[in-house]
Amino acid sequence: EVQLVESGGGLVQPGGSLRLSCAASGFTFSSYELNWVRQAPGKGLEWISYISRSGPTTHYADSVKGRFTISRDNAKNSLNLQMNSLRVEDTAVYYCARVLPGGAHDYWGQGTLVSVSS
Amino acid sequence: EIVLTQSPGTLSLSPGERATLSCRASQSVSSSFLAWYQQKPGQAPRLLIYGASSRATGIPDRFSASGSGTDFTLTISRLEPEDFAVYYCQQYGSSPIFSFGPGTKVDIK
Repeated sequence: EVQLVESGGGLVQPGGSLRLSCAASGFTFSSYELNWVRQAPGKGLEWISYISRSGPTTHYADSVKGRFTISRDNAKNSLNLQMNSLRVEDTAVYYCARVLPGGAHDYWGQGTLVSVSS
Repeated sequence: EIVLTQSPGTLSLSPGERATLSCRASQSVSSSFLAWYQQKPGQAPRLLIYGASSRATGIPDRFSASGSGTDFTLTISRLEPEDFAVYYCQQYGSSPIFSFGPGTKVDIK
């Protein structure tokens, strides 16, 4: 069974940092591209970051570029998101999601809540 | 930059009725790279449709989708109680590399 489990969310002050992780199981991790997608309270889905199968290629939404860094460890079946210079508007549930070749997300984690507040 | 627009914002229907949801792109999207999701409160999104018209594993055949270029449609032929949710379209490949529409909420009339 494919599983994606996020962790690392919590309450942080503006300007602070947080590192999210996503533990994957039930599939060949290194064979799939991965994304982070977030959802602010009561709002829609926002793609924020992509990483290729072996990790050299990454993309970011303009809203997080220069502040967030995506990485993966294929030996540990783990996806990470280092979030620096956090802003109040980064408050959201953060999901990791597996990406199919055509760009659809077929499996999602349960999400982890990041709250940025003073 | 491609912007996805979904209409209507809210669709109020009764169980058994047909739902037609629209997703419009500001520029042409390859049909291979258009997906639809269902999301219920407190849950992660669930993939319904990929490649504009292919149902994901386990999705009932009352869900169908079509479209090309800039206009795409998701149809639920007969609404079941569990279908009342928010539906998102999503494109892949154009700047930004991934983007979602704002969603259509299907609620009970």
